[in-house]
Amino acid sequence: AQSVAQPEDQVNVAEGNPLTVKCTYSVSGNPYLFWYVQYPNRGLQFLLKYITGDNLVKGSYGFEAEFNKSQTSFHLKKPSALVSDSALYFCAVSLNTDKLIFGTGTRLQVFP
Amino acid sequence: EAGVAQSPRYKIIEKRQSVAFWCNPISGHATLYWYQQILGQGPKLLIQFQNNGVVDDSQLPKDRFSAERLKGVDSTLKIQPAKLEDSAVYLCASSYPGETYEQYFGPGTRLTVT
Repeated sequence: AQSVAQPEDQVNVAEGNPLTVKCTYSVSGNPYLFWYVQYPNRGLQFLLKYITGDNLVKGSYGFEAEFNKSQTSFHLKKPSALVSDSALYFCAVSLNTDKLIFGTGTRLQVFP
Repeated sequence: EAGVAQSPRYKIIEKRQSVAFWCNPISGHATLYWYQQILGQGPKLLIQFQNNGVVDDSQLPKDRFSAERLKGVDSTLKIQPAKLEDSAVYLCASSYPGETYEQYFGPGTRLTVT
């Protein structure tokens, strides 16, 4: 069965510092991987995806993520965090590109 | 372009009552999804439509939940009767099949069952 793990409930980082939000997955086959962000009282917004090709994918708002097949990971990164990046981040995996399996989410808190 | 619209935004009902949620997807998006997001968890797919046909409803509690998408555009999700454990945010999403695989989410309906 497909599953996604986000081992950290919360990540705290100072503004201007690099940030990493971790995600590992378990699927039998080639995964499609996604990151979504959820701001308070708003729906999920798509950030980036890995389907195939270059392992480093770039997305919205300066975020990027690296697909690591040997470690079955898809960590979200940003070189310099902003206070406005504070939100709830969800990693998701799909095998057939339609049905998304979401992780439990990681709350990112960026302090000024 | 206009995003996915949902209503109501908030709903409070007592257990054993019924409730309905409405979703209007992005124009031209043939695929529509309903998710349930319980506090502290990630969204869980309840049902997926392709036009007005059901593609996947394996996780829909069919004894109390129902959904329809007449004419392949708007959709309604109904709960009857509601239980306390149905308290959650109900998210609607849509996508254009075969294109980039991105799903676009509405703001959600927060349901509280007392």
